[in-house]
Amino acid sequence: QKEVEQDPGPLSVPEGAIVSLNCTYSNSAFQYFMWYRQYSRKGPELLMYTYSSGNKEDGRFTAQVDKSSKYISLFIRDSQPSDSATYLCAMSVGSVDSWGKLQFGAGTQVVVTP
Amino acid sequence: NAGVTQTPKFRVLKTGQSMTLLCAQDMNHEYMYWYRQDPGMGLRLIHYSVGEGTTAKGEVPDGYNVSRLKKQNFLLGLESAAPSQTSVYFCASNRQGDTEAFFGQGTRLTVV
Repeated sequence: QKEVEQDPGPLSVPEGAIVSLNCTYSNSAFQYFMWYRQYSRKGPELLMYTYSSGNKEDGRFTAQVDKSSKYISLFIRDSQPSDSATYLCAMSVGSVDSWGKLQFGAGTQVVVTP
Repeated sequence: NAGVTQTPKFRVLKTGQSMTLLCAQDMNHEYMYWYRQDPGMGLRLIHYSVGEGTTAKGEVPDGYNVSRLKKQNFLLGLESAAPSQTSVYFCASNRQGDTEAFFGQGTRLTVV
């Protein structure tokens, strides 16, 4: 069983809709939770990160972490065609010798249609 | 500011051939990583380095070797390529104590 599970999609939504993405995980030691966006044939780029449980908002993006349920979510409001990409969740224990040692989900492909 | 640069961007190898992938970062980051990305598998850590002259194994290290002779460079070697090593390889780096990792553009490797 993978440490991080993520539905690969694809997830197709009309422009302006809310995109809802999520991941589940099994390692209770994870402390840092990230969402990366990856455009086709490009490297991942950090979209948002959250430490421990709680919510974080940045413009149209909201990240939620529920450590008790081992479940994280990303919401994209007022989705745009430019949001079409693969979204990867990633997690880290964050100890001194593991900064950046990330466990990734498989990634969810999102397609926003005009 | 180039960030993380990977060389080459594409390569086709025959089974049994060797090659080295080069990663260079100009952000003075202490930590560097090599990941591979396969369909349905996400990114998996191959090897990483926490500083010049140090390396450590990640989740899928078999068939790969690495070296970090200079702080800005991290090399990934395949001594005898196998078709199972067909993948997209990403290098990443980050500053010690900073969870955000910066990724290169990737190297698409096909082993035939």
